[in-house]
Amino acid sequence: GAGVSQSPSNKVTEKGKDVELRCDPISGHTALYWYRQSLGQGLEFLIYFQGNSAPDKSGLPSDRFSAERTGGSVSTLTIQRTQQEDSAVYLCASSLEAWDYLQQETQYFGPGTRLLVL
Amino acid sequence: AQKVTQAQTEISVVEKEDVTLDCVYETRDTTYYLFWYKQPPSGELVFLIRRNSFDEQNEISGRYSWNFQKSTSSFNFTITASQVVDSAVYFCALSAVGGAQKLVFGQGTRLTINP
Repeated sequence: GAGVSQSPSNKVTEKGKDVELRCDPISGHTALYWYRQSLGQGLEFLIYFQGNSAPDKSGLPSDRFSAERTGGSVSTLTIQRTQQEDSAVYLCASSLEAWDYLQQETQYFGPGTRLLVL
Repeated sequence: AQKVTQAQTEISVVEKEDVTLDCVYETRDTTYYLFWYKQPPSGELVFLIRRNSFDEQNEISGRYSWNFQKSTSSFNFTITASQVVDSAVYFCALSAVGGAQKLVFGQGTRLTINP
């Protein structure tokens, strides 16, 4: 079946502009994650969705970052007033919901959106 | 706090050599999961293996094998008879159960297999 898809693949923007990054999870996956991969910080967690709710936003670096998910499917990560330090690859992952508290489902990743802020 | 350390930043070997990628983790949780992902030049993270903290059996999948040792908090990955297609960045990751189950990644090991 289809994997996680993300768009755009690449985005170049000017400092101060807003950007929207989109993620389409694997069909049936209720959990959705956003991660960021940058040279200096490695791979870091941003936000987690279960359905349309975001019970863990602890990784969002500032209030310029926000995300939403609609219909338990597509998610959009929005960065307002972009800064050069926002340049990174933004990765989306999805997984099934764990059927038990002690279980962990595997997260499957999309190809990422490479963001460059000039 | 959870932490994953991949001390080897880069490894370069000649094709057909065996190579082991090290992963050491820190966690206070008694139940947790460990993962390995491969990131080829195309950039997509590809899932390789998942292991829970109660299962210390080593696993072999073709040329790949994993050695999980709770006593040393390590989850090492060995590629036998390496091939050029194995060239990639490999990430080890840790996750607690419950809650967001977010992944905490190591810094990655860039593996280059030379023909």
